[in-house]
Amino acid sequence: DGGITQSPKYLFRKEGQNVTLSCEQNLNHDAMYWYRQDPGQGLRLIYYSQIVNDFQKGDIAEGYSVSREKKESFPLTVTSAQKNPTAFYLCASSSRSYNSPLHFGNGTRLTVT
Amino acid sequence: RKEVEQDPGPFNVPEGATVAFNCTYSNSASQSFFWYRQDCRKEPKLLMSVYSSGNEDGRFTAQLNRASQYISLLIRDSKLSDSATYLCAVKTGTYKYIFGTGTRLKVLA
Repeated sequence: DGGITQSPKYLFRKEGQNVTLSCEQNLNHDAMYWYRQDPGQGLRLIYYSQIVNDFQKGDIAEGYSVSREKKESFPLTVTSAQKNPTAFYLCASSSRSYNSPLHFGNGTRLTVT
Repeated sequence: RKEVEQDPGPFNVPEGATVAFNCTYSNSASQSFFWYRQDCRKEPKLLMSVYSSGNEDGRFTAQLNRASQYISLLIRDSKLSDSATYLCAVKTGTYKYIFGTGTRLKVLA
């Protein structure tokens, strides 16, 4: 079955450490996205990528970095510069079609202490 | 004003009831519209796309009102398993999706 796989499901890190969240899709979608979800705040866009080797900042990109070396993969690094990294991180993908919805992975819950 | 707004609820309804949620959007150039269901501590899952003429999927009906810039979701014959948060999403560009903060629904036995 096609889908989006995020790993790990839960991640714990000490403050000051960088951490990389994995996202892989086999839906053959061109576009991939990273969102952050905090209680009561909905989904906020961190980065998105339309094609390989290209990506754009979303609304809250500060303290995060991404790469898109392969169509299937869009890892997110949460750096020590991110002031409030504890959150639920969701990776998503979409095709280019006009009415294509977003498809989400099962998320990574990051806790930084 | 937020680009996409939803009443956060919670909407507490008895089993078998009909419940409706609205979602308003501010960008009149918005192209596509979606409803997602999100269970506690899980990822959002696509419930249905919203088409201009309205569409139905079993007990769920979605409507789009472009003149007043809102979409709606109607759930008939509510089940306990319908308890979740319902997110609306608006696509305003090729790669721009904006989500509401969600409406919580609790279906009571």
